[in-house]
Amino acid sequence: EIVLTQSPATLSLSPGDRATLSCRASQSVGYYLAWYQQKPGQAPRLLFYDSSNRATDIPARFSGSGSGTDFTLTISSLEPEDFAVYYCQQRSNWPPPITFGQGTRLEIK
Amino acid sequence: QVQLVQSGAEVKKPGASVKVSCKASGYTFSSYGIAWVRQAPGQGLEWMAWISAYNGHTSFAQKFQGRVAMTTDTSTSTAYMELRSLRSDDTAVYYCARDPRRSVGPGHFDYWGQGTLVTVSS
Repeated sequence: EIVLTQSPATLSLSPGDRATLSCRASQSVGYYLAWYQQKPGQAPRLLFYDSSNRATDIPARFSGSGSGTDFTLTISSLEPEDFAVYYCQQRSNWPPPITFGQGTRLEIK
Repeated sequence: QVQLVQSGAEVKKPGASVKVSCKASGYTFSSYGIAWVRQAPGQGLEWMAWISAYNGHTSFAQKFQGRVAMTTDTSTSTAYMELRSLRSDDTAVYYCARDPRRSVGPGHFDYWGQGTLVTVSS
């Protein structure tokens, strides 16, 4: 099983700050990594797929990068609505084909 | 617009089964896959299974193999997930999600249902 480790577990920042979230895979997943945002009481929302492909209606302040085992989600200047939990997710040909990271909570400092 | 609307909350006793529905609209149902993901209270996301609405191909997380059944009804654009032999640790919000990979296996999930809370309690 490919394990995704997200860091930090919690990130405390202020609006206007730059946020950098990390997701590390236990073995290479190529470019097959997605990022989701989840707010309390809501379903997850897709931000990026295949590492850097922005999903529909995702603002340009969000960017995704990486390949192999190391991936990054960057929010260039935090807006109040960006404070949420972020999950990475990989797909592979190995069972199980889908795993999620444990999440990074982005909270207001 | 794309929408996935799930059935309402359920309360079940240990050992029972639950069947959750997911009605899709706003896109061609048979051109996509449907994934099922659950989230226990206060916990992260856990992928359970996936079904192609195109050809019926399925994929399961090993821990759910044999306990989860999925079907799709293209006439009503609805997907169903049944979880059997419920235990208290199955208490969670269950989500369906659309997958642009329609036939070869799960990929990523671009639209999600609102979630269905399943509570397992004696």
